[in-house]
Amino acid sequence: QVQLRESGPGLVRPSETLSLTCTVSGGSISHVDYFWGWIRQPPGKGLEWVGYIYYSGSTYYNPSLRSRASISVDTFQNQLSLELISVTAADTAVYYCAGYIITTPGAVDYWGQGTLVTVSS
Amino acid sequence: QSALTQPASVSGSPGQSITISCTGTSSDVGDYNYVSWYQQRPGKAPRLIIYDVTKRPSGVSDRFSGSKSGNTASLTISGLQTEDDADYYCSSYTSASSFIWVFGGGTKVTVL
Repeated sequence: QVQLRESGPGLVRPSETLSLTCTVSGGSISHVDYFWGWIRQPPGKGLEWVGYIYYSGSTYYNPSLRSRASISVDTFQNQLSLELISVTAADTAVYYCAGYIITTPGAVDYWGQGTLVTVSS
Repeated sequence: QSALTQPASVSGSPGQSITISCTGTSSDVGDYNYVSWYQQRPGKAPRLIIYDVTKRPSGVSDRFSGSKSGNTASLTISGLQTEDDADYYCSSYTSASSFIWVFGGGTKVTVL
């Protein structure tokens, strides 16, 4: 059973960089069948894709983030990472690590528990 | 990237059936069968309940069913139970953006 767990600072200052890590257990992050990514949810609002990555290293980002996001994988640690630069209060959200199998495109059946990141001085 | 359109809220009594709509365009829901639905209870991560418009993952109750007509996908919950009180989100593939996945704005289901 694949499990995801996010970790990282809960508070980030405006204009600084948000950095999160997701540890994947029960499966390989470099498996050809999976896409891994990040989905966020501002308090009281809906879901929004940040972006995702394939084992080959190909990355795909939501254009609404205006090139501020970067997703990478560490195959040795079996971890997924997110960096979001130049954050503002609008980036305050619960960030979920997520994954889906290539045979069911877009059907996210793996979710972390989520981690709240607040952007505030 | 425009979100898919869902009603803000839907309510029903226990035992009733309700339907949540998810309206898109011919660039997403209308032309592709990659529509998923998620249930999110308060303080919890979303859970996949429907994928590929009509399919249910293993372990999901058959009270949940999905369908599509034109540019609108629908989620029907039959035999409404108190545990169905939650937020529901649709998602679809889209060809209208450089990013291929889009969510709906979410629907709050209240079991009266």
